[in-house]
Amino acid sequence: GAVVSQHPSWVICKSGTSVKIECRSLDFQATTMFWYRQFPKQSLMLMATSNEGSKATYEQGVEKDKFLINHASLTLSTLTVTSAHPEDSSFYICSAQGGVFTDTQYFGPGTRLTVL
Amino acid sequence: QQQVKQSPQSLIVQKGGIPIINCAYENTAFDYFPWYQQFPGKGPALLIAIRPDVSEKKEGRFTISFNKSAKQFSLHIMDSQPGDSATYFCAASRMGSARQLTFGSGTQLTVLP
Repeated sequence: GAVVSQHPSWVICKSGTSVKIECRSLDFQATTMFWYRQFPKQSLMLMATSNEGSKATYEQGVEKDKFLINHASLTLSTLTVTSAHPEDSSFYICSAQGGVFTDTQYFGPGTRLTVL
Repeated sequence: QQQVKQSPQSLIVQKGGIPIINCAYENTAFDYFPWYQQFPGKGPALLIAIRPDVSEKKEGRFTISFNKSAKQFSLHIMDSQPGDSATYFCAASRMGSARQLTFGSGTQLTVLP
């Protein structure tokens, strides 16, 4: 159990376009989902925490208008990077917790975003 | 006080060796300590986790040792294999914070054949 998927696994886009990344919990209901960003050879940086049906809580320094997070159901959260620029290029990873997994975060496989 | 300090930054061992990765924390409100394994280009995968009411937990070749008084915990990998070569992150979380994880900085482990 505790499988989390992400789609797409990688995406290349032009500067100024928007990109949507989906995160799904496949075999449990995720009351809370998290979005992280990871730079090469660095630890995970929490961007935001979202609860189903509520607005996401963003970490300090993360632009909520640039990184739109929607957690419309107990199995799906989306991250939209709006008007992407090269500095937004990164590895984005989601995680989910909930159901019987109330204390543990299970991570998706990540999405590599490259903005040209 | 929210930090989790992890060491070493990198570690190289021979096949069959027992690499040990250490983490230390300050916040005594932390009550859940997971370890994650991450391969390049992949998301972290939960390896093993411990709560402060036990001093040791084993799952397969992975063992967590926990020292509550010292506020330290460590991961031991028994009979390490080249396939264990990855980056390992310790983490900590507490009740009342949506269980947000505070991650260590990571340890890049290389197991030589």
